[in-house]
Amino acid sequence: QKEVEQDPGPLSVPEGAIVSLNCTYSNSAFQYFMWYRQYSRKGPELLMYTYSSGNKEDGRFTAQVDKSSKYISLFIRDSQPSDSATYLCAMSGGSNYKLTFGKGTLLTVNP
Amino acid sequence: ETGVTQTPRHLVMGMTNKKSLKCEQHLGHNAMYWYKQSAKKPLELMFVYNFKEQTENNSVPSRFSPECPNSSHLFLHLHTLQPEDSALYLCASSQKTGADTQYFGPGTRLTVL
Repeated sequence: QKEVEQDPGPLSVPEGAIVSLNCTYSNSAFQYFMWYRQYSRKGPELLMYTYSSGNKEDGRFTAQVDKSSKYISLFIRDSQPSDSATYLCAMSGGSNYKLTFGKGTLLTVNP
Repeated sequence: ETGVTQTPRHLVMGMTNKKSLKCEQHLGHNAMYWYKQSAKKPLELMFVYNFKEQTENNSVPSRFSPECPNSSHLFLHLHTLQPEDSALYLCASSQKTGADTQYFGPGTRLTVL
């Protein structure tokens, strides 16, 4: 079983839709969870950072962590064409400080 | 210049060439990283430097040779690469190693012929 599973998509939605992006993981020691956004021909940029379980909201973005299910989500409300990018989940914790990434989900928001 | 910069942005090289990738961070961070990003694969950590000392070599072939002369600069020296080494090479930095936010550069798109 891979440490982090993420559906690579592609995911295509109309403008204004609510987008749900998800990752599952197997390492119960993970406690730091991140979402990065990567535009074409650019490096990843940090979008959301959460510690342990719970929700975190920042504008149109909400990150959710369910440690009991080993499942994390990123919700995008009122999606915009400018949200079109690849979204990478990443996590770390325990004795392993290294970030473990998912493959990334390619999202296209159509005007 | 702000953030993390990488040069060159694109590089095409033959299998017998020697080239170097450069990364510079302007964030005052102490940890720097090299990652490889290939299509349909997760980001692969290659090397970690903390206060100029290499703390991680993730079983990377010796044809990749990192160098960190100071906390702001990181190089990746390349020689006798293989076509399967073609990928996006990303540099990142963070204040310290550990569960700390990493900031990425734009990457160098490498093509090995």
